[in-house]
Amino acid sequence: DAKTTQPPSMDCAEGRAANLPCNHSTISGNEYVYWYRQIHSQGPQYIIHGLKNNETNEMASLIITEDRKSSTLILPHATLRDTAVYYCIVRVGVRGYGQNFVFGPGTRLSVLP
Amino acid sequence: GAVVSQHPSWVICKSGTSVKIECRSLDFQATTMFWYRQFPKQSLMLMATSNEGSKATYEQGVEKDKFLINHASLTLSTLTVTSAHPEDSSFYICSAPGTSRGDTQYFGPGTRLTVL
Repeated sequence: DAKTTQPPSMDCAEGRAANLPCNHSTISGNEYVYWYRQIHSQGPQYIIHGLKNNETNEMASLIITEDRKSSTLILPHATLRDTAVYYCIVRVGVRGYGQNFVFGPGTRLSVLP
Repeated sequence: GAVVSQHPSWVICKSGTSVKIECRSLDFQATTMFWYRQFPKQSLMLMATSNEGSKATYEQGVEKDKFLINHASLTLSTLTVTSAHPEDSSFYICSAPGTSRGDTQYFGPGTRLTVL
């Protein structure tokens, strides 16, 4: 699986958009970009994933560059409850078959009042 | 979405005792489940892969005789920490893969183990 690079920490003002970058310059054509977050003392929570098109759901938007070497997770209106460690993971997605996820250190997002 | 539960959510035990942690997929079946361990201020590290109907596969450095895994059914995997020691104190998290596009993973809420 391709390696990802994320900033170790970021701050964001409450109510503003939080833009979390992820670099995955060695991504291959069949690898998806996944985003998870982990709030303190909880299990990781799925946010969004994509292959090459931008994706949006009720939680966030995922913007993947045309060359797929980087992506940005956007939380449009950050709240204090969005304070967490955010993990960007690149991995081959295989329907109906399981492979584990490899977690890096992630980005610790602090939403400030 | 799919839900994975863990029981107990936290446990305190004495050194030398064994502790069993359950991981259940509540509304879907999982032939494979994963067990992770997370120490304070560190990221999740995969311990082992639990396979229904066959033996678990362990990551390098994880003692299979100490961390017993049993995938009893398509919705239940258990992790037993045998002869627990204080250095086994950690946050244990299980996950199960989904079957939707892109094969997302669903994580349990975690179990906090403290060994005195």
